[in-house]
Amino acid sequence: GQQLNQSPQSMFIQEGEDVSMNCTSSSIFNTWLWYKQDPGEGPVLLIALYKAGELTSNGRLTAQFGITRKDSFLNISASIPSDVGIYFCAGSSSGGSYIPTFGRGTSLIVHP
Amino acid sequence: NAGVTQTPKFQVLKTGQSMTLQCAQDMNHNSMYWYRQDPGMGLRLIYYSASEGTTDKGEVPNGYNVSRLNKREFSLRLESAAPSQTSVYFCASTITPSGRYGYTFGSGTRLTVV
Repeated sequence: GQQLNQSPQSMFIQEGEDVSMNCTSSSIFNTWLWYKQDPGEGPVLLIALYKAGELTSNGRLTAQFGITRKDSFLNISASIPSDVGIYFCAGSSSGGSYIPTFGRGTSLIVHP
Repeated sequence: NAGVTQTPKFQVLKTGQSMTLQCAQDMNHNSMYWYRQDPGMGLRLIYYSASEGTTDKGEVPNGYNVSRLNKREFSLRLESAAPSQTSVYFCASTITPSGRYGYTFGSGTRLTVV
């Protein structure tokens, strides 16, 4: 089955620093999704990507759909304490079994 | 507010007891999913329902059953709870089975089996 490798597993950074994380897949995806999960809550969709090479921003967050269609990247600029949480990538391919594949998450801690 | 509603939010069960986790969405979504989340394991799919009237196994279905009661509701049942089923359970829904437009998650049910 499809596998997603998400890295890094965790990050401890200072407020104001930039953050980068990525996901790589063993299969080609048609859609990449990035989610954030606040402590004690369910994941919330941040950014959706639909085309290879696509670069999309949501405030201080920027995500890219890799040109090989097997990877995706999420960057957070000038981190703030409320960025704390777990970030998940997810991918899906329309020709598959419709089961979404999620990465294991990147846990982000921001020190004031 | 529109979204996915899960009940209960917290539950403690004794080994061998049964219970049903409830999930309802009011967004007219076609597809619904049950996940469990364990530390360091991410989100693992238990069962899903691509459309009303259909259900299929996910990655970790053993020990669980589901019912797609109607388009809005998708319940998860533990027939004989085991400590290994201690986890946080999330229900999610999406408009199309491909998931192209993203999934909306509930706030979770925190289950402890003692």
